[in-house]
Amino acid sequence: TQLLEQSPQFLSIQEGENLTVYCNSSSVFSSLQWYRQEPGEGPVLLVTVVTGGEVKKLKRLTFQFGDARKDSSLHITAAQPGDTGLYLCAGGWNYGQNFVFGPGTRLSVLP
Amino acid sequence: EAGVAQSPRYKIIEKRQSVAFWCNPISGHATLYWYQQILGQGPKLLIQFQNNGVVDDSQLPKDRFSAERLKGVDSTLKIQPAKLEDSAVYLCASSLGGRRSYEQYFGPGTRLTVT
Repeated sequence: TQLLEQSPQFLSIQEGENLTVYCNSSSVFSSLQWYRQEPGEGPVLLVTVVTGGEVKKLKRLTFQFGDARKDSSLHITAAQPGDTGLYLCAGGWNYGQNFVFGPGTRLSVLP
Repeated sequence: EAGVAQSPRYKIIEKRQSVAFWCNPISGHATLYWYQQILGQGPKLLIQFQNNGVVDDSQLPKDRFSAERLKGVDSTLKIQPAKLEDSAVYLCASSLGGRRSYEQYFGPGTRLTVT
């Protein structure tokens, strides 16, 4: 049983479109991270959210942590081919002493 | 600032052989993680070190996997003997530790193929 679920599993869109991917759990996390992983590379941290209801923006990316700290979403505005990759969410407890990753959403942005 | 270094990048072995992976974390990072990422899945934590002590190894298959972090810096992960299902990318990550533990920096990984 996945502690963290991500949806959709795969997403293929055209350049310029908007998209939202989701990360859901039945567990409450003290922090939640989003990473992007490109082929042949390790995941790269995009953002950390720690407060229920928190919204963070990173250029065209908007991250939201659910009020109950059980779920999160990542919205990309005007997607570009450079956004292509595997988007992973990871939930943590005890300020990073315990971690679990979701299975990821594989995004492909076509020019 | 140099990132997390891992070697080798690729390894192909036959089942029942042994293999070892090496990781050099970012300088000053107290916490070091080893993850296993099977194709199509997210990383699964195998072991977490705080300096040279083990914090969590609950998901490490201890009958065949071992890891050490001598002197609290470099780390090695060993598999002996390997099984077909060990084919995966092995990722090393490091963090400052404490309340900054969730900010993990990953190496490029070692892709292991067991035939």
